[in-house]
Amino acid sequence: DIQMTQSPSTLSASVGDRVTITCRASQSIGGWLAWYQQKPGKAPNLLIYKASSLDSGVPSRFSGSGSGTEFTLTISSLQPDDFATYYCQQYNSNPRTFGQGTKVEIK
Amino acid sequence: EVQLLESGGGLVQPGGSLRVSCVVSGFTFNNYPMSWVRQAPGKGLEWVSGISGSGITTNYGDSVRGRFTISRDNSRSTLYLQMNSLRAEDTAVYFCATGWNAHDYWGQGTLVTVSS
Repeated sequence: DIQMTQSPSTLSASVGDRVTITCRASQSIGGWLAWYQQKPGKAPNLLIYKASSLDSGVPSRFSGSGSGTEFTLTISSLQPDDFATYYCQQYNSNPRTFGQGTKVEIK
Repeated sequence: EVQLLESGGGLVQPGGSLRVSCVVSGFTFNNYPMSWVRQAPGKGLEWVSGISGSGITTNYGDSVRGRFTISRDNSRSTLYLQMNSLRAEDTAVYFCATGWNAHDYWGQGTLVTVSS
């Protein structure tokens, strides 16, 4: 199985900060990576698919990049609604696997 | 509007069985692969299983393979997860989600608790 490792596990930031989360795959997954945002008690929400494509309705302050084994999710200017946990997921091969999550907290 | 509504969760003893369901509306169900994803209390997301639109192709995560069975009834726009030989570590909220790749729609989840 492909292992997905996110860093950091927790991130403290302020409104307006630029935030970057990294996701590394244990083997190449091409560009077959998604990013999700999850708030407590809610289902995850798709932000990015195919590493860099923004899902419909997602604010443009979110962006994704990378290919192969290293990927990043960037929030260009952190907003109050963005404090949440973020997960990456590979869908290059079965079984699909998620990273362990990155919690973005208020500094 | 796309809606996914899970049901069937509850308390079950270790070694027991349970079937959870997901009724879908707002899109042509039989054209879409579907998946189950779970989340243990306070933990991250774990992909459990996926099924093709026809129901012919299925796949499972390592921790549930051989114990769980995914299926679908396209005439009822319903996805199922039959869970057998349940263990304490299967305790989680079970979400159904569209697709086998990036999951663009999710249900609200149903809680399965395995405890004596």
